[in-house]
Order: sequence, then structure tokens, then C-alpha cells
Amino acid sequence: KQEVTQIPAALSVPEGENLVLNCSFTDSAIYNLQWFRQDPGKGLTSLLLIQSSQREQTSGRLNASLDKSSGRSTLYIAASQPGDSATYLCAVISGGYNKLIFGAGTRLAVHP
Amino acid sequence: DAMVIQNPRYQVTQFGKPVTLSCSQTLNHNVMYWYQQKSSQAPKLLFHYYDKDFNNEADTPDNFQSRRPNTSFCFLDIRSPGLGDAAMYLCATSKRGEADTQYFGPGTRLTVL
Repeated sequence: KQEVTQIPAALSVPEGENLVLNCSFTDSAIYNLQWFRQDPGKGLTSLLLIQSSQREQTSGRLNASLDKSSGRSTLYIAASQPGDSATYLCAVISGGYNKLIFGAGTRLAVHP
Repeated sequence: DAMVIQNPRYQVTQFGKPVTLSCSQTLNHNVMYWYQQKSSQAPKLLFHYYDKDFNNEADTPDNFQSRRPNTSFCFLDIRSPGLGDAAMYLCATSKRGEADTQYFGPGTRLTVL
């Protein structure tokens, strides 16, 4: 049974820091891995999707990497800003059908 | 802009009183999903439609039903809401299947009194 874990559960950093959020999954047979952002009381915004054959994806200040064999992904945020404050969720699709399995998220606070 | 729309954004119901949540999409995607997210927890898939084919998760309670009358709309029916059903309900779509990005609506927050 696939399980997704995110570490740390919460993170508080000063503005301008580069930071790394970690995601691990127990079954390496995944179709893809997706990173989402969720603001309090809101839905999910897709940030990056990495197919199983890819190693990384970049969008602006965000870079996500995938190491399928070790069951790990990282989300790198460069030059963090207060507007980056949110919960970041990673999710994988595995098992042969369209089911996203989520981690519990990392709650990020970037203070001025 | 093409998007996933959920109505209402906030729904209050009484214990045991049936409630229906609505999702619509302008993306013309084949697949529509319903997730339940309880406070500070990960979203959990309840069921999904691939076109008209309904796929229920094994651990989704019988209290939860869904309808997809056409490509654009999907409904979540909770027949007899309990206090434990209070949660954020998220609708998502994807073009086809496993390789595609899932796009989420803003969610409906359900309160059960």
C-alpha cells in the first residue's frame, strides 16, 4: 500500500532564504508525482508535475526533483517571500489508476 | 478562463439532512474526482468518473454517492450527514488518466450541526 510522508510538518523561515521541502513514498512504481500549494481554507493549486521518466521540473523560483528508485522528491523554493506562506502537498499516482495519494503537507511560514 | 467551479463554497446542514455539492468544469476533461479533506489532514479520494464509468474507493462509506449527468457536471450526494462528515470537499479533473495533471476547484466546506 502506497504511503506518502512529508518532512518537516511545519517550517518557519525569514524572507529571502532558500528552502527544501521533502517528500518520500514507499512504492517506487509511480506514474507521476505532483506538488500542490494550498492556502488556508482554499483548494489546491498545482505547482509542478513530474512524470515517472523525468528527474526534475522547474517553474520560476520552484524546482522539484524526483528520485524514483529511492522513493524521494524535493521541492526547492529559491529566495522565499511572505507570499509563499501556505501548505505544500505532494502526491503520487500509482497502482494503475487515477488516484492521487497525498502526504499530509508541510505548512510553510515566511516572515518579513 | 477554463476552470473547475464548485458550489456552494460553504454549506451548512443538519445532522441527517441530505446535502448535494456541485462541481462543474469548462476544461472538457474526461475524468472528474471527489476528494474529502478533514482539518489538517491529507485529501482522500472518495470516487472518480472516467467519462461515464464510476469508480468507487473501497473504503468510501455508502452514505456518499455521486452523479455525473454530462461531461461538465458532477455531484456529490451525502444521504445522511454525520458530524464526522464535516470537511472540505474538493473536486478535481484531469484530461485522461494517470499521466495527467489534476486540476482542483476551490472546494466546498461542509459544516454539520
